[in-house]
Amino acid sequence: DTGVSQNPRHKITKRGQNVTFRCDPISEHNRLYWYRQTLGQGPEFLTYFQNEAQLEKSRLLSDRFSAERPKGSFSTLEIQRTEQGDSAMYLCASPPPLLGTSGGMSSDTQYFGPGTRLTVL
Amino acid sequence: AQTVTQSQPEMSVQEAETVTLSCTYDTSESNYYLFWYKQPPSRQMILVIRQEAYKQQNATENRFSVNFQKAAKSFSLKISDSQLGDTAMYFCAFMSLDSNYQLIWGAGTKLIIKP
Repeated sequence: DTGVSQNPRHKITKRGQNVTFRCDPISEHNRLYWYRQTLGQGPEFLTYFQNEAQLEKSRLLSDRFSAERPKGSFSTLEIQRTEQGDSAMYLCASPPPLLGTSGGMSSDTQYFGPGTRLTVL
Repeated sequence: AQTVTQSQPEMSVQEAETVTLSCTYDTSESNYYLFWYKQPPSRQMILVIRQEAYKQQNATENRFSVNFQKAAKSFSLKISDSQLGDTAMYFCAFMSLDSNYQLIWGAGTKLIIKP
């Protein structure tokens, strides 16, 4: 267990519905990443937060996707009007702050949550 | 743009054997990090080993070691004395220090350890 939690673990929805996922990073880790992993592939970067600021978004993040990190703590990823192509595992990663280490963890290493598997019917 | 290539979609070896997973990458950067992550079936992504590009010495973590060839842009993972619990997808990942430390991933190698 890395200390990063994600909820729900599984979500099945019908095409056109909205879904929201949550990630709780390791406490005091001010950086947070979202990745998407489709079946049989490696993860792809979606977006990056430092504290509450969303500093980078991938072109994969269409206007149906929105991510927030209020108060720099947990983060949510919402997908509106889901499509079958959105079916994937959504991963959250929480590295220690830059400049040094935290509890033995190196700031360059991302620690992943268990993911949320989304199935769009 | 950086790319990561894992040319072995699937490998299988007998328990206790040694296996090497290959990874090549492409970048114009001189300072970066490389990682191997393990993803067991239905379980979360776990860090196996990391390598700083500025270090010539190959990283080692118990039964896991890497062969880092910076000029060739090659980063292979060797698993010695393989165990049944090593069965998993293994992903090679490149970390760009110029792009907010995001990870760029290979497609993965499915490793099966047979009893």
